[in-house]
Amino acid sequence: EPEVTQTPSHQVTQMGQEVILRCVPISNHLYFYWYRQILGQKVEFLVSFYNNEISEKSEIFDDQFSVERPDGSNFTLKIRSTKLEDSAMYFCASSEARSGGSHGYTFGSGTRLTVV
Amino acid sequence: GNSVTQMEGPVTLSEEAFLTINCTYTATGYPSLFWYVQYPGEGLQLLLKATKADDKGSNKGFEATYRKETTSFHLEKGSVQVSDSAVYFCALKGNTGFQKLVFGTGTRLLVSP
Repeated sequence: EPEVTQTPSHQVTQMGQEVILRCVPISNHLYFYWYRQILGQKVEFLVSFYNNEISEKSEIFDDQFSVERPDGSNFTLKIRSTKLEDSAMYFCASSEARSGGSHGYTFGSGTRLTVV
Repeated sequence: GNSVTQMEGPVTLSEEAFLTINCTYTATGYPSLFWYVQYPGEGLQLLLKATKADDKGSNKGFEATYRKETTSFHLEKGSVQVSDSAVYFCALKGNTGFQKLVFGTGTRLLVSP
């Protein structure tokens, strides 16, 4: 069964550093998403991406964050100048259709980001 | 806005016990409803879904029925196993335009032998 692959599985970074979280969506999917889950809290929507541009973003997704599809297969989330409160599990997802369509989203296994 | 409320955990059961995890929602229109499961150290996996009122989603012995009159989507399983120990998330998605998945806080299930 096709999978969404995320790397690394765990990243530790110092406060103020930049991090890039990587995702390889399912190959025939057109819509890509990032969600995050702060430990013990809800899974929250960050951003959706289609046709090489952001289609929706939440209030969490401020200028500190950016997304990119640099080479047609990877989908990256960059966090500039990380803060302690950015520590969370970050999930990438992809879907065939907008808003998941009939098959819904496929999530990756997540990258646990720890900012120290 | 759309929201999901789940029962707080952890839910602790013995193997073969009956499971219910309550989920209620607030949404305009007719959202699609989902249960996702997160096993220890893993990502979110879709467990089951229902897209319209009275639909029953089922998978791996788990069931949930979309009840519009009570705005609920409770998860049930007749006989849990130790391997069902995980965190279960109820979620909804609106059906007009782009609608992000809105998750509940998750309910941890612990099943002991």
